[in-house]
Amino acid sequence: DIQMTQSPSTLSPSVGDRVTITCRASQSVGNWLAWYQQKPGKAPKLLIYKASSLESGVPSRFSGGGSGTEFTLTISSLQPDDFATYYCQQYKTYSTFGQGTKVEIK
Amino acid sequence: QVQLVESGGGVVQPGRSLRLSCAASGFTFSNYGMHWVRQAPGKGLEWVALISFHGANKFYADSVKGRFTISRDNSKNTLYLQMNSLRAEDTAVYYCARDRTPGGSYLKDSWGQGTLVTVSS
Repeated sequence: DIQMTQSPSTLSPSVGDRVTITCRASQSVGNWLAWYQQKPGKAPKLLIYKASSLESGVPSRFSGGGSGTEFTLTISSLQPDDFATYYCQQYKTYSTFGQGTKVEIK
Repeated sequence: QVQLVESGGGVVQPGRSLRLSCAASGFTFSNYGMHWVRQAPGKGLEWVALISFHGANKFYADSVKGRFTISRDNSKNTLYLQMNSLRAEDTAVYYCARDRTPGGSYLKDSWGQGTLVTVSS
C-alpha cells in the first residue's frame, strides 16, 4: 500500500501569509496527486488534481507542485475563507489520503 | 449542478447490517464511476469502495472487503453501500463521491454531505 504523510499537522498563519503544505508518498505516484479542502461539518472539496492542475472555480491563490514522492500545496496569500483542513490523496494505485493539515486562525 | 445526497445512516449494534443510499442529480449518473469514502469522528479520510459506471467493476479497501458491497441502480440514479457484520471501527461519516471518469480513476470531483453511521451496543 502507498502511504501518504503530510507536514505539518497544524499551521497557525495570519491572513495574507504565504502557506505551504508538504505531502510525501512512500513510493512514486507520478503526478497522480490531488489536494482537497475540508471545513468542519462539510464535505471535502477538490482543489488541485494531477499535482498542479487547478480545479475549475478554485481561486488562483491555490497552487500545487511536485512529482514522484514529494508534493506541495501553496496558498499565496491566505484569506479568512481558507482556514480549513487540507488533505492530499494519491490516485496512482487505488486511493490513499494523507492524515490532514489543519490551518487554524492564529 | 451536481448534487449527491446520502441517507440510511443511524445507530446499529455490532454484527448487524445497514444499507446506505446516495441519490444523484445534476449530471448523467450512468456516465461516472462512484465511490464511498468514510471519516471516523475527528479522523482523516478513508476510501471504502469504487464502482464503475456500468456496475461491472467493483473495488474495496482491505478493511471492508468481504463485509461491504457497493452497487448502483442507473435507472434510479442511486448508489448503494450494503454494510454487513458491522464493527465499532466502522463508525464514521460515510460520503458518496463522483469519480472523474466512467471506469474509475480514483479522483473524486464531487462529494455529498455525508451520513453518520454509529456502531454501538
